[in-house]
Amino acid sequence: EVQLVESGGGLVQPGGSLRLSCAASGFTFGSYVMTWVRRAPGKGLEWVSTISNGGGRTYYADSVKGRFTMSRDNSKNTLILQMRSLRAEDTAVYYCARDGYDGSGYYADYWGQGTLVTVSS
Amino acid sequence: EIVLTQSPGTLSLSPGERATLSCRASQSVTSTSLAWYQQKPGQAPRLLIYGASSRATAIPDRFSGSGSGTDFTLTISRLEPEDFAVYYCHHYSTSTRTFGQGTKVEI
Repeated sequence: EVQLVESGGGLVQPGGSLRLSCAASGFTFGSYVMTWVRRAPGKGLEWVSTISNGGGRTYYADSVKGRFTMSRDNSKNTLILQMRSLRAEDTAVYYCARDGYDGSGYYADYWGQGTLVTVSS
Repeated sequence: EIVLTQSPGTLSLSPGERATLSCRASQSVTSTSLAWYQQKPGQAPRLLIYGASSRATAIPDRFSGSGSGTDFTLTISRLEPEDFAVYYCHHYSTSTRTFGQGTKVEI
């Protein structure tokens, strides 16, 4: 069974940093592209970042580019999202997701339950 | 960047009725890279449809997706009580992804 468990969320002041982790199990982690998606309170889903299966390529939404860094440790089946210079608008539940592939592109097929990040003074 | 616009914002229906959700892209979506997700309060999103029309694993056949180019549709043929939720369409490409703003299906 595919399992994704996020951790590391919490309350942080504007301008601060936070490191989210996602522990994966139930599949060969190093074979899959992985993604972070967030949902701000009262709003819809927003794609944040994607990383290739080997970790050599990363992609970011414009809203987080230059502030967030996505990485992975395939030996530990762990996904990381390092967040810096946090803003109030980064407040959201952050989900990690495994990507499937349909021959034309990658899409999130399994999701974790999410971890809440609150940016407030 | 492709912008996805979903309509209606809210759909008020009864169990047993048919639900038709629309997703319009600001420019043509290549290779039908369009997915649909369901999200209930306090839960993670659940993949329903990928490739515009392929049902994900274990998704009941009352859910179907169709469309191409700029216009896509999610149809729920007969609403079950557990289907009342928010539905998002999603475009995926190599370097960027976008979601629609969501359609809430309520009783």
